[in-house]
Amino acid sequence: QVQLVQSGAEVKKPGASVKVSCKASGYTFTSYGISWVRQAPGQGLEWMGWISAYNGNTNYAQKLQGRVTMTTDTSTSTAYMELRSLRSDDTAVYYCARTYSSGQPFDYWGQGTLVTVSS
Amino acid sequence: EIVLTQSPGTLSLSPGERATLSCRASQSVSSSYLAWYQQKPGQAPRLLIYGASSRATGIPDRFSGSGSGTDFTLTISRLEPEDFAVYYCQQYGSSPTFGQGTKVEIK
Repeated sequence: QVQLVQSGAEVKKPGASVKVSCKASGYTFTSYGISWVRQAPGQGLEWMGWISAYNGNTNYAQKLQGRVTMTTDTSTSTAYMELRSLRSDDTAVYYCARTYSSGQPFDYWGQGTLVTVSS
Repeated sequence: EIVLTQSPGTLSLSPGERATLSCRASQSVSSSYLAWYQQKPGQAPRLLIYGASSRATGIPDRFSGSGSGTDFTLTISRLEPEDFAVYYCQQYGSSPTFGQGTKVEIK
């Protein structure tokens, strides 16, 4: 069965960087992409971007351009999301989700990773 | 950016009742790239409906979606206890956006 397993919770100071991983199993990793979505405490869902696991093409939310980098490691079927210059309003649960391609729904989701930014 | 506005914010209903959730887009959603997700506390969202009206794998037929253009609806025909949750609509064009959510709570 399709599974996306994310790395554990992180606590970071303002200005630092965080890198969250998402290990996929149960399907051919390179046949799909991975989207990243975050959810601030008590708030709604915010799309951050998408990466193709086939060729590494990316599409980032304009709001995060320059601060976010998404990568994949096809040898381990793992996707990564790095967010730099962290601020307190980056505190959120970060989810990865399988997405066939840009312009497709998000059909399987990871369990989420809480990132707390606090001095 | 396409802004999605969901209504109502909260829906208070009893098990067995019908739930009707609305999602309105600020501009037309191309090719019905509209999805609905269910989220329970402490859990990741789950895909219910895509393409405005197609049920995702394993979703019971009490969930149905309809609409096109700028107006979309999610209907739960008879609420089961496990259906009380927050529901989000999403347009998944080149820059996906989500609505702010509708909470379906037990009356």
